[in-house]
Amino acid sequence: KNQVEQSPQSLIILEGKNCTLQCNYTVSPFSNLRWYKQDTGRGPVSLTIMTFSENTKSNGRYTATLDADTKQSSLHITASQLSDSASYICVVSAGFQKLVFGTGTRLLVSP
Amino acid sequence: SQTIHQWPATLVQPVGSPLSLECTVEGTSNPNLYWYRQAAGRGLQLLFYSVGIGQISSEVPQNLSASRPQDRQFILSSKKLLLSDSGFYLCACQRQSSYNEQFFGPGTRLTVL
Repeated sequence: KNQVEQSPQSLIILEGKNCTLQCNYTVSPFSNLRWYKQDTGRGPVSLTIMTFSENTKSNGRYTATLDADTKQSSLHITASQLSDSASYICVVSAGFQKLVFGTGTRLLVSP
Repeated sequence: SQTIHQWPATLVQPVGSPLSLECTVEGTSNPNLYWYRQAAGRGLQLLFYSVGIGQISSEVPQNLSASRPQDRQFILSSKKLLLSDSGFYLCACQRQSSYNEQFFGPGTRLTVL
């Protein structure tokens, strides 16, 4: 069964600190992996997208890694800001029209 | 770049009433369009997708339906809403790229009472 599991479910960190969110997947065949940021009550916004051959990709203070052998990905946020408070969703594509969504990690950055 | 509009932003409807949610896309032509539902604490669930006018694929059997009357218009409907239809409905657009990246609209919050 295709599944995407994210951890932790929720996280509170102090402003300025770093954090790492995890994503484990059992999706086959694997096409690509995306990380989205979703503010409360808004649609998800793409942060990064990686294919099988890419093992790291950055977007500003966001850095995603992918280990296709262990089927794990992480999203590292550097020097967190209050505006980083959101849900972060890991999505794995199993091919055309086949996206498997994680349930997300809810991050709260506290002043 | 494309812009996705969804209307209305929020909606409160009684059980048994009809539903019509609209999604329109600007800045792209012949996109693939998607309807997702996001229940509280759950991941996004794909409801329908469309690869062209009048072409609708349903992923989950339910009392909802979708239509695509124009290239950049996607409508989600129901004849009789259920309590379980409450949720956050997202329209997404996929442009033709090697990554097949999807872009999401702002969403509609539906509460069925």
